[in-house]
Amino acid sequence: EPEVTQTPSHQVTQMGQEVILRCVPISNHLYFYWYRQILGQKVEFLVSFYNNEISEKSEIFDDQFSVERPDGSNFTLKIRSTKLEDSAMYFCASNRDSNEQFFGPGTRLTVL
Amino acid sequence: AQRVTQPEKLLSVFKGAPVELKCNYSYSGSPELFWYVQYSRQRLQLLLRHISRESIKGFTADLNKGETSFHLKKPFAQEEDSAMYYCALLIQGAQKLVFGQGTRLTINP
Repeated sequence: EPEVTQTPSHQVTQMGQEVILRCVPISNHLYFYWYRQILGQKVEFLVSFYNNEISEKSEIFDDQFSVERPDGSNFTLKIRSTKLEDSAMYFCASNRDSNEQFFGPGTRLTVL
Repeated sequence: AQRVTQPEKLLSVFKGAPVELKCNYSYSGSPELFWYVQYSRQRLQLLLRHISRESIKGFTADLNKGETSFHLKKPFAQEEDSAMYYCALLIQGAQKLVFGQGTRLTINP
């Protein structure tokens, strides 16, 4: 059964550095999402992406963040100038049209 | 406001006992609700959705619009049900999920 994959599983970075989190959605899916979960808190929506553009973003998703689908398979989240409070699990998800979103295993980002 | 509330962070029951995980929502539109489960060291996966009205792994959930609830129930808990359970609300149009804080269910032998 196809699954959403994410790399790396754990990323450690210094405050102020840029990170790119990578996701490979399920191949025939059209909608892509990023969520994050700070330790001990809720899973929060960051952004949705469809037809090569952002369709919705939360107030968390400010100029520090960007998303890209650079080729036919990858979907990336870039965080510029990371802050301590960006430390979280970042989940990628995708779906086609059934409203069920399929989640990746997550990337744990640690900002030191 | 769009909000999902799971009042219990932790829930512990004995094997064979009934389980009910509570979920309440606040949403002005027509609600579409889901239960996701996360087993240890695994990804979030869909357990069930209210529009399909099916039973998965013995779990059921009924949408009660009057009480704005979508509680998850199972009559006889099994040890393999131990996991984190998240209730989620789909915001129509935006296609984003709003999650509750999650309930960690532990089934004791």
